[in-house]
Amino acid sequence: AQSVAQPEDQVNVAEGNPLTVKCTYSVSGNPYLFWYVQYPNRGLQFLLKYITGDNLVKGSYGFEAEFNKSQTSFHLKKPSALVSDSALYFCAVRDTSGGSYIPTFGRGTSLIVHP
Amino acid sequence: DTGVSQNPRHKITKRGQNVTFRCDPISEHNRLYWYRQTLGQGPEFLTYFQNEAQLEKSRLLSDRFSAERPKGSFSTLEIQRTEQGDSAMYLCASSLAEGADTQYFGPGTRLTVL
Repeated sequence: AQSVAQPEDQVNVAEGNPLTVKCTYSVSGNPYLFWYVQYPNRGLQFLLKYITGDNLVKGSYGFEAEFNKSQTSFHLKKPSALVSDSALYFCAVRDTSGGSYIPTFGRGTSLIVHP
Repeated sequence: DTGVSQNPRHKITKRGQNVTFRCDPISEHNRLYWYRQTLGQGPEFLTYFQNEAQLEKSRLLSDRFSAERPKGSFSTLEIQRTEQGDSAMYLCASSLAEGADTQYFGPGTRLTVL
């Protein structure tokens, strides 16, 4: 079974400050992990993914995420937040041992960047 | 635009009516997925196709829902006898069957059942 948790419904950060959006997961085997961003009334846009290898993954728009196997986490980070980063962020996990191609998505975290 | 497209973007219907949504995936992608998203939730998987074959359906998918992908290209999702609880955003995604199978999403169809 696979599951993912985003423990914060909302994250508030001032423009120019670093941001972190948290994600933890549970899988039986090894995980594929994904981050997506959703703007109002739009579909999800792919930001980045972890498959294997380097624990620090770089993605679109200056975002990066760190895979931590011991803590089963995949937190999304950005060194300097922009007001335009304000959106809904979703973490997703797929268990590579399950044989299914279907990821499980978290409930989402609303990021609000204040000017 | 070579991304995933969905039509219509918005649909308002009365309870009991049938509705059909269309999804056009990225042209070289052979996998196509349908999800439902309600306010405050992440996307919930409904069904997926590899080429024209429907390979997996969620237990959440009632028999009022049916999906097709007749030629392995575009797909349609039909909801019969709509209920107010069907009101949601319906998302389509496509992927290339390799590696991590990264899914790329369309803009969604927002359904409102009155």
